[in-house]
Amino acid sequence: NAGVTQTPKFQVLKTGQSMTLQCAQDMNHEYMSWYRQDPGMGLRLIHYSVGAGITDQGEVPNGYNVSRSTTEDFPLRLLSAAPSQTSVYFCASAVSSNSPNSPLHFGNGTRLTVT
Amino acid sequence: AQSVAQPEDQVKVAEGNPLTVKCTYSVSGNPYLFWYVQYPNRGLQFLLKYITGDNLVKGSYGFEAEFNKSQTSFHLKKPSALVSDSALYFCAVRATSGYSTLTFGKGTMLLVSP
Repeated sequence: NAGVTQTPKFQVLKTGQSMTLQCAQDMNHEYMSWYRQDPGMGLRLIHYSVGAGITDQGEVPNGYNVSRSTTEDFPLRLLSAAPSQTSVYFCASAVSSNSPNSPLHFGNGTRLTVT
Repeated sequence: AQSVAQPEDQVKVAEGNPLTVKCTYSVSGNPYLFWYVQYPNRGLQFLLKYITGDNLVKGSYGFEAEFNKSQTSFHLKKPSALVSDSALYFCAVRATSGYSTLTFGKGTMLLVSP
């Protein structure tokens, strides 16, 4: 049971480049989300999805797009990378948004540097 | 809006001593409260949660947390710290009513010295 798998582990982009961070879970979780972690700022929610075909914005959505075509996958797209998007990105899933006391399961993160 | 405060950036304790990592929260109505731990270069791992009922919650690796509604606090505790407990700890909250996402604190680095 792999849990939440994120790829790549590391990525360096130049300003203006685009890329997709991949996230897959094999636990049949309905809820998936993306967070960014920056020193001294904790984790901030970028986008989340309560099921296939449904996405919504979190606290810091600007510059990022998401889609959820399957239950398993929840990719995060950076359309035009900026140095302010240098961060560690975490994907997390939970059983269901209808079970708000269910804990999140996190991937191991993608460390992104934008130069 | 809901929020979490972890007033200490860093907590230092000696191995074998008790440890406390502080957390206070603000939420509309009753809270669901969580503690997560992050080891270097890893994602967050769930430690324990408060839903309702007993104010003292026991979790993984010997950790426990005490919910205090009047002080809106949910401090993480362990009677005897281990060097291997050294990690970054996050408190998180969401409201029990309506729909809300999980809000995290900024994290507290726990350093346990031998």
